[in-house]
Amino acid sequence: KNQVEQSPQSLIILEGKNCTLQCNYTVSPFSNLRWYKQDTGRGPVSLTIMTFSENTKSNGRYTATLDADTKQSSLHITASQLSDSASYICVVSAIGDRGSTLGRLYFGRGTQLTVWP
Amino acid sequence: DTEVTQTPKHLVMGMTNKKSLKCEQHMGHRAMYWYKQKAKKPPELMFVYSYEKLSINESVPSRFSPECPNSSLLNLHLHALQPEDSALYLCASSQGLASYEQYFGPGTRLTVT
Repeated sequence: KNQVEQSPQSLIILEGKNCTLQCNYTVSPFSNLRWYKQDTGRGPVSLTIMTFSENTKSNGRYTATLDADTKQSSLHITASQLSDSASYICVVSAIGDRGSTLGRLYFGRGTQLTVWP
Repeated sequence: DTEVTQTPKHLVMGMTNKKSLKCEQHMGHRAMYWYKQKAKKPPELMFVYSYEKLSINESVPSRFSPECPNSSLLNLHLHALQPEDSALYLCASSQGLASYEQYFGPGTRLTVT
C-alpha cells in the first residue's frame, strides 16, 4: 500500500534553533518527492522537489535529503524564524501505470511546526 | 507570473444554493487540479484536467461539477452541497501531469450552512 508517514506530528522550537522533520514512504514506483510549507488556511507552497537521483537539495534555510534506498527523506530548517511556523507536508509522486507520466500524489499528514520567540 | 489565483477567498452557501469556484493561471501549464482539504488533514485530490480534458475524477459526488473552459481557467460548480462539504478547496496547476511540480492557489474557504 502506498503511504507517506511523517514525524513528528508536531514540534515546538525556539527562534534561531535548527530542526529536522522526517518523512518515510512506501510509494512505488517512485517518481519524485516534494516538501511543501502550508500556512493555516492557505495553499501549500513548494520548498523542494527531488527525483530518484538527487540526494540533497537546498532552498535558502531549508535543506531536504532523500535516501531512495531506505525510502526516507528529511527536511532540515536552520536558524528558524517565527515565520517558519506552519505545516510541512511531504508529498511523494508515483509513476503511473503502463509507464505513463500520469502519477498519483501521496500526501503525508504533515508536521505542525511552531517557532516561539 | 508564477501565481495561481482563486476566487472567492471565502464562500458561505446554503444547501440549496448553486455557486462556482474559479481558478486561473497564466504559466502555460496544461494540467490543473482540484483538491479538498479538511482542517489538520492533507489535501485530497478531487479532479485532474490535462489539456482541458478531464483525466481523473476521484469518485467525487455529482454535486461537484468541474469545468475547464480553456487552458488557463478551471471552475468548480457546486450544487446541493452538504455541511460536511465545508472545507478549503485548493486549485493547483503543473506543466504536465503529476510528475511535475504543482503550484497551489491560496484556496477558497467554503462553508455550507
